[in-house]
Parts: sequence; structure tokens; C-alpha cells
Amino acid sequence: KAGVTQTPRYLIKTRGQQVTLSCSPISGHRSVSWYQQTPGQGLQFLFEYFSETQRNKGNFPGRFSGRQFSNSRSEMNVSTLELGDSALYLCASIFQGARGNTEAFFGQGTRLTVV
Amino acid sequence: GEDVEQSLFLSVREGDSSVINCTYTDSSSTYLYWYKQEPGAGLQLLTYIFSNMDMKQDQRLTVLLNKKDKHLSLRIADTQTGDSAIYFCAEDLISGGYNKLIFGAGTRLAVHP
Repeated sequence: KAGVTQTPRYLIKTRGQQVTLSCSPISGHRSVSWYQQTPGQGLQFLFEYFSETQRNKGNFPGRFSGRQFSNSRSEMNVSTLELGDSALYLCASIFQGARGNTEAFFGQGTRLTVV
Repeated sequence: GEDVEQSLFLSVREGDSSVINCTYTDSSSTYLYWYKQEPGAGLQLLTYIFSNMDMKQDQRLTVLLNKKDKHLSLRIADTQTGDSAIYFCAEDLISGGYNKLIFGAGTRLAVHP
């Protein structure tokens, strides 16, 4: 079965621009979570979508937004880019295991560089 | 609060055991996880432990959980160069009625000959 696909893999943008990242989860998974990974802050939770609805949100400014489509594909958008937004953005395809554990399958990420 | 803490670096000699430590804050977490990230890749689940267990062993990996102190550790026996990676601890929180995985900052493990 296909894994989690994130596009693009690499992106360079200038300050003030906006960017859209895409994530296609594993077929059959309805939940997608997004994380920002930076060397200083580690892995920080951005938001989670399930069946096109945002169920949870992290502590990020309103410039960070997302959505999910009926086929479970998700996009996240960052507007008015700042240098500090440079990071690896990871998407996780989420499945609730039969024991109640959360099974998260990660994509390779999109490396965003803001210059 | 939501805070998972880990030390940032660990260096071990090949063949020795590695112990990576983590503390978490939410005592209601039902599951705790260890993920591994190799260079240029996303995270992969290594193992997880249910909160009512003290220990779980899986081949070279041993997870110890001290629920009273909210302390989780991962021991890797006979550490190999292929174990060099970033290791993340994560807790499974209930937020707004739904599960949310919260990760630590990651511990970079360097294995040297």
C-alpha cells in the first residue's frame, strides 16, 4: 500500500510570500496531522484534520492554516512568510489502532527555506 | 500542559548500550511512543507502551515507564552505527475529545567506533 506523499520536497520562498504544501495520506486513513520541525524547537504540532474538519490546533499564528478535502488529501498554507518559518514540515497519516493507540505514519516532509 | 522533554544529544561507542530519556507532563496519556528519524526521512514508529505497563521489550529495544515520575526511557542494546538517528518520545493526549500526538524535541544519537 502506498505511503504518505508530501509535495513538494523542497521549496525556497522569499519573505512576505505565501506557500501551500500538500499531503496525501495512506489510502483509507481519514485523519492527517501536520508538524513543524526545527533544530531549536523540535517537532511542534500545527493542526489535525479528520473528514474535512479541523479537530485540533497547535499554538501557531493565524498565518498558518490548513484544509482537508473529501479524498482526505490535506493542504497547509502559510501566508506572509517570515525567516523563522524555515523548517521541515511533516505530515502524518493517522489511524486509531484497535487497542486505542494512535498509529502515525509520516511522509518525508517538505523542506521550506525562506530567504 | 503539553510538554515532552528530552536531552538533545547522546554519543555512544559501537557495541555499548544507549539509554535515551524523556519526561512528559500529562498523567492521563494512555500510550507513549518512541519514533526514529533517519537523515532526510520522516519519522518511523519504533515501539510504544501502554500506560499501565512498566516495561516492554522488543528485540534490542527496552522501554521503561515510571508513571509516578512521568519518565520514559528507551534502551538500545548492542548499539550499531545504523542506530545513529534522532529519537523522539511522544505522548498521546486527549484534546477536545480527540487524540493528539505531542513530541519531544528529539535526541540525536551518534554512534562511534
